[in-house]
Amino acid sequence: KAGVTQTPRYLIKTRGQQVTLSCSPISGHRSVSWYQQTPGQGLQFLFEYFSETQRNKGNFPGRFSGRQFSNSRSEMNVSTLELGDSALYLCASSLVPTGINNQPQHFGDGTRLSIL
Amino acid sequence: AQTVTQSQPEMSVQEAETVTLSCTYDTSESDYYLFWYKQPPSRQMILVIRQEAYKQQNATENRFSVNFQKAAKSFSLKISDSQLGDAAMYFCAYRSALGGSEKLVFGKGTKLTVNP
Repeated sequence: KAGVTQTPRYLIKTRGQQVTLSCSPISGHRSVSWYQQTPGQGLQFLFEYFSETQRNKGNFPGRFSGRQFSNSRSEMNVSTLELGDSALYLCASSLVPTGINNQPQHFGDGTRLSIL
Repeated sequence: AQTVTQSQPEMSVQEAETVTLSCTYDTSESDYYLFWYKQPPSRQMILVIRQEAYKQQNATENRFSVNFQKAAKSFSLKISDSQLGDAAMYFCAYRSALGGSEKLVFGKGTKLTVNP
């Protein structure tokens, strides 16, 4: 069974540009969450999706947005990139929202985004 | 808001020895879940062990065990018979059991080095 797939693995952008990152969950998983990981702030929750609906959102500016498609694949978009957006972006999937049955989340390898 | 604190930025252990990583958390909730994740240089977050707050018995997974002290809000990870492959960043994480949210609150992490 394939794991959580995140593309691209690495990405370099310049300030002011926008970027779209993709996450394909494990087959059958319908819940997807996104996290930003930086050396200074650590791992911070961005948002979560289930059945194409955003269920929860972290404390990030409106430049950060996401969506989920009917096949459970998810994308996150960052507009007007800033130097501080340089980070590892991690996606995690689970069968259903884990609050229901405490199924664990499975993480992808992340996308390393560098802003020049 | 919940917070998770890992007071040891770095730890080292000799191969085959035992090491304990510390984690404390702050919450006003009575029902929640706690996790330890491992992140090797490959970047993928791997679930090591999890604990439901309503369970008094400490969770164990092979060489990994936890010491869960609910009243003290402490959740330490013990790794027995340390192996070179255990070298990684270890993150303690909290998830509320209310509302069915996926959101994990992470500590800053502990870098574990295993010396041969």
